[in-house]
Amino acid sequence: SQKIEQNSEALNIQEGKTATLTCNYTNYSPAYLQWYRQDPGRGPVFLLLIRENEKEKRKERLKVTFDTTLKQSLFHITASQPADSATYLCALALYGQNFVFGPGTRLSVLP
Amino acid sequence: DTAVSQTPKYLVTQMGNDKSIKCEQNLGHDTMYWYKQDSKKFLKIMFSYNNKELIINETVPNRFSPKSPDKAHLNLHINSLELGDSAVYFCASSPGATYGYTFGSGTRLTVV
Repeated sequence: SQKIEQNSEALNIQEGKTATLTCNYTNYSPAYLQWYRQDPGRGPVFLLLIRENEKEKRKERLKVTFDTTLKQSLFHITASQPADSATYLCALALYGQNFVFGPGTRLSVLP
Repeated sequence: DTAVSQTPKYLVTQMGNDKSIKCEQNLGHDTMYWYKQDSKKFLKIMFSYNNKELIINETVPNRFSPKSPDKAHLNLHINSLELGDSAVYFCASSPGATYGYTFGSGTRLTVV
């Protein structure tokens, strides 16, 4: 069956460290993958998009990798800050279809 | 200026009632969506409209009916509300398939 998993429901890290979030999928062939941030009581906010033929994408302190062989995307936040605390969602874009969202990982950056 | 706005933000209603949620986007995007986020926080697509035409209609009870009077609006009407309809409903828009979505802030529906 088709499945999207994100490494853990919650992740705590110390301020200044690099946070690494994982998105794994099975029985999907995504055209590309996106990452979103969601704060409590708010809608998701688009962060980054990476295509199937791209290995890595960066934006400021954010980095995304996409390995279609491993069926995995990694999302890194370097020099993390308490303001980075939120839930992060990965979303697979399937050919000719809409996005399928993962369950999210709640990141807490501790001062 | 709010890019994607939904009203109301909160909706508490009794079982069996009919209610509507409105969504408007001022981004000029061609495609609009309705998503449902349940208590476990999974976001699931319900409907997708492209330029007022329905293009995706996932397995959603036919008590749910989207209406798009124009490209900038996509409303969601729900008939005969049930307890299981309680969730947060998000409207979103995008300029096309290879772009990120812009979400509204959500409507928390509670059916009692």
